[in-house]
Amino acid sequence: DSGVTQTPKHLITATGQRVTLRCSPRSGDLSVYWYQQSLDQGLQFLIQYYNGEERAKGNILERFSAQQFPDLHSELNLSSLELGDSALYFCASSVGGNGNEQFFGPGTRLTVL
Amino acid sequence: ELKVEQNPLFLSMQEGKNYTIYCNYSTTSDRLYWYRQDPGKSLESLFVLLSNGAVKQEGRLMASLDTKARLSTLHITAAVHDLSATYFCAVDIANDMRFGAGTRLTVKP
Repeated sequence: DSGVTQTPKHLITATGQRVTLRCSPRSGDLSVYWYQQSLDQGLQFLIQYYNGEERAKGNILERFSAQQFPDLHSELNLSSLELGDSALYFCASSVGGNGNEQFFGPGTRLTVL
Repeated sequence: ELKVEQNPLFLSMQEGKNYTIYCNYSTTSDRLYWYRQDPGKSLESLFVLLSNGAVKQEGRLMASLDTKARLSTLHITAAVHDLSATYFCAVDIANDMRFGAGTRLTVKP
C-alpha cells in the first residue's frame, strides 16, 4: 500500500459525459501527478500540481482539467468523453517536485461506452 | 520529439540467469526513473537516477544511468520467479515525464 488513495476504482459512463476522478496523496506529500495508461498509448503523463499550483503539463487534452485543493487532494475532470478515453488513470504523489520518488495510487479504471 | 525506447519488449528468462534491460532516450536529461508493474496492479517505484554515472542497487536489480550516451540499464542478477512483471523506464524532460513501452519479463523455473 503506497498511501495514495484514488476513488472510484471503476467508472463506467457514456460518450459525451463528464466524470471526476479523485486522488488523496500520501501524508506530507506536496506534489500530485496524473497519468493515463491505455493499450494504444501506453503510459502518458498528464499534469502535475505542487502545493496547489500547476507545475507541469504533459499530454493532457483540452477536454481534461485538474486541480489541487488546499488540503492537497486533487481531482481530474474529464469532459465530453470519447471511447478513446477509456483507460486506467493513476495519480502519484511525491514529497517535493521532480527528482523525487513517486508513489502511485491503485488507479481508476474508466470505461466509456 | 523525445523518444524513449526500451528493449527488449518481451523477455523470457530462466531462473538463476542474468540479463539487462535497456532504455535509450533521444533528448538530454539527467533524471530517469524505473518502475515495476504487476498484472492488474499499479506502478511501484524501483529507482530514481539523478546524475550521470548514477548506480543504484536493490536486491537482484541494479540500475545505472549514462547521460552522455542517453542510456539507462536495469540489470537483473540470478533471476527468480518473483521478478516476473513489466518494467518501465521514464525520462524527465523539463518536468514532462515520458515512458518507455515497457519490458514484460517472465522468469521461468
